[in-house]
Amino acid sequence: SQKIEQNSEALNIQEGKTATLTCNYTNYSPAYLQWYRQDPGRGPVFLLLIRENEKEKRKERLKVTFDTTLKQSLFHITASQPADSATYLCALDMTGRRALTFGSGTRLQVQP
Amino acid sequence: GAGVSQSPSNKVTEKGKDVELRCDPISGHTALYWYRQSLGQGLEFLIYFQGNSAPDKSGLPSDRFSAERTGGSVSTLTIQRTQQEDSAVYLCASSPDRWGGTDTQYFGPGTRLTVL
Repeated sequence: SQKIEQNSEALNIQEGKTATLTCNYTNYSPAYLQWYRQDPGRGPVFLLLIRENEKEKRKERLKVTFDTTLKQSLFHITASQPADSATYLCALDMTGRRALTFGSGTRLQVQP
Repeated sequence: GAGVSQSPSNKVTEKGKDVELRCDPISGHTALYWYRQSLGQGLEFLIYFQGNSAPDKSGLPSDRFSAERTGGSVSTLTIQRTQQEDSAVYLCASSPDRWGGTDTQYFGPGTRLTVL
């Protein structure tokens, strides 16, 4: 069956370091993949979209890679700040589903 | 307002009662989605509306759940005979245009439902 996997354990890093979050998927070849940020008590907020024919996408301190051979996307936050602390969700368009399917998210905690 | 709004923000109800949750999407967005998020969990897809097409109801967990979208805008999610396992945050999202687009979704703040 199709699955999206994100590390359920929280990622703790020091301010200024680069945070790297992983999204793996199985049994599907999505046309694109999206990353969202969710703060406690709020709805997710769209960050970046990367298409299957793109290897890398950048936006300010954010970088997303998409390896369709490994079926994996990496989400990087460089020069991380305590304000980057949140849960980050990846999402794909899965076969047979017209809406996005979300991973369970990884919580990032940036220590000052 | 410019964003997706949902009401109420919090709803506490007794087991067995019916509840209605409302979503006002961003004006002009043709696609509307409902998700459910339990504590510490990811988003569980419930239902998807796109324009005048038949909704995708494949995510509704039981026939106690239903949703409608009137006039292609406001949507109401109804849960009948609520159960304690229905307690969760219900999130609504809208999107400009699924077809040929990239389905980027704009979320509302959610309705926290507690069934006692």
